[in-house]
Amino acid sequence: AQSVTQPDIHITVSEGASLELRCNYSYGATPYLFWYVQSPGQGLQLLLKYFSGDTLVQGIKGFEAEFKRSQSSFNLRKPSVHWSDAAEYFCAVGAGGATNKLIFGTGTLLAVQP
Amino acid sequence: NAGVTQTPKFQVLKTGQSMTLQCAQDMNHEYMSWYRQDPGMGLRLIHYSVGAGITDQGEVPNGYNVSRSTTEDFPLRLLSAAPSQTSVYFCASSYGTGVLGETQYFGPGTRLLVL
Repeated sequence: AQSVTQPDIHITVSEGASLELRCNYSYGATPYLFWYVQSPGQGLQLLLKYFSGDTLVQGIKGFEAEFKRSQSSFNLRKPSVHWSDAAEYFCAVGAGGATNKLIFGTGTLLAVQP
Repeated sequence: NAGVTQTPKFQVLKTGQSMTLQCAQDMNHEYMSWYRQDPGMGLRLIHYSVGAGITDQGEVPNGYNVSRSTTEDFPLRLLSAAPSQTSVYFCASSYGTGVLGETQYFGPGTRLLVL
């Protein structure tokens, strides 16, 4: 069965420091992969997506993610974190290769220290 | 475009009551889905639809009914609410399944508390 694992439940970084959020997936074929961000009490905003092609994907707000098939990973990175990045981040994979049915990870809550 | 809209924003129910969570989109999307979000569990798919008149079950369908009589609307019904259905519910829509790079657009969510 397909699944998404986000090993880090909670991460704290200092403002200006670099960030990497981990995501591992299980799926036999090339997956559709997504990162969403959710601010407190808000809905989900799409940060970036991977469908095919270049394995390094650029997103909004200065985020990027790299698809590594050999490691079944799709880690999210940002070189310099801003206080406004504090939120919960969700990795997701398209179930059965379809983007209208997403399987989400359990999320990583990011705190940013001044 | 208003995108994906959900009503109500917040609802309190008593155990055994019924209610319908409304979801509408004005983007002419064929594909619509309902998810629930619980702490520590991410979002889980409840039901989805690939077009008017066609619905199917997701990962956690028990206790919920859906129908899709129009392209725009996809209501979620709780026939007899239980405390285990306390959650935040998100509706989402897309115009495809990813073949052309389509992604889902999410509504703002409905917070449901069942006492």
